[in-house]
Amino acid sequence: AQSVTQPDIHITVSEGASLELRCNYSYGATPYLFWYVQSPGQGLQLLLKYFSGDTLVQGIKGFEAEFKRSQSSFNLRKPSVHWSDAAEYFCAVGRSNTGNQFYFGTGTSLTVIP
Amino acid sequence: NAGVTQTPKFQVLKTGQSMTLQCAQDMNHEYMSWYRQDPGMGLRLIHYSVGAGITDQGEVPNGYNVSRSTTEDFPLRLLSAAPSQTSVYFCASSARLQGTGELFFGEGSRLTVL
Repeated sequence: AQSVTQPDIHITVSEGASLELRCNYSYGATPYLFWYVQSPGQGLQLLLKYFSGDTLVQGIKGFEAEFKRSQSSFNLRKPSVHWSDAAEYFCAVGRSNTGNQFYFGTGTSLTVIP
Repeated sequence: NAGVTQTPKFQVLKTGQSMTLQCAQDMNHEYMSWYRQDPGMGLRLIHYSVGAGITDQGEVPNGYNVSRSTTEDFPLRLLSAAPSQTSVYFCASSARLQGTGELFFGEGSRLTVL
């Protein structure tokens, strides 16, 4: 069965500090991987995605993520966090063989302190 | 470009009442889905559809019905609401996974069952 694990429920970082949010997946084939961000009271917005090719992908708002097949990971990074990055972050894996079924992790809540 | 539109945004029901959450997309996406979001549990897939006339169950389908009579619309029906269905519901759509692939989300519908 497919699953996505985000081991960190909540992370607090200082503004300007670097950030890494962890994501591990369990999937039998090459996964389609995504990171979404949800601001309070809002829907989810796509930050970046990985389908194939270069394992380091760039997204919006200065985020990047690296796909590591050997570790079954797709960690999200940002070199310098801004106060506006405070939000909930979700990792997701998609399947292609039965249609577009997506599975989400439980999310990581990010707090940014001045 | 409206994207994915959900109505209503807020709803309060009494136990045993029925209601329908509406979802419409104007992007001609084949895939549509419903998720519920609960604290600490991330997003869980309720039902999904890969095209008009085709629906299937996700992780937590009990208590919910769906139909897909057109490409644009994918309503979610609660036949007899229960307090356990208090949640925030998101509708999402996507094109074929091998294309742009990512999910586009509505703004959510907050349902309270008393």
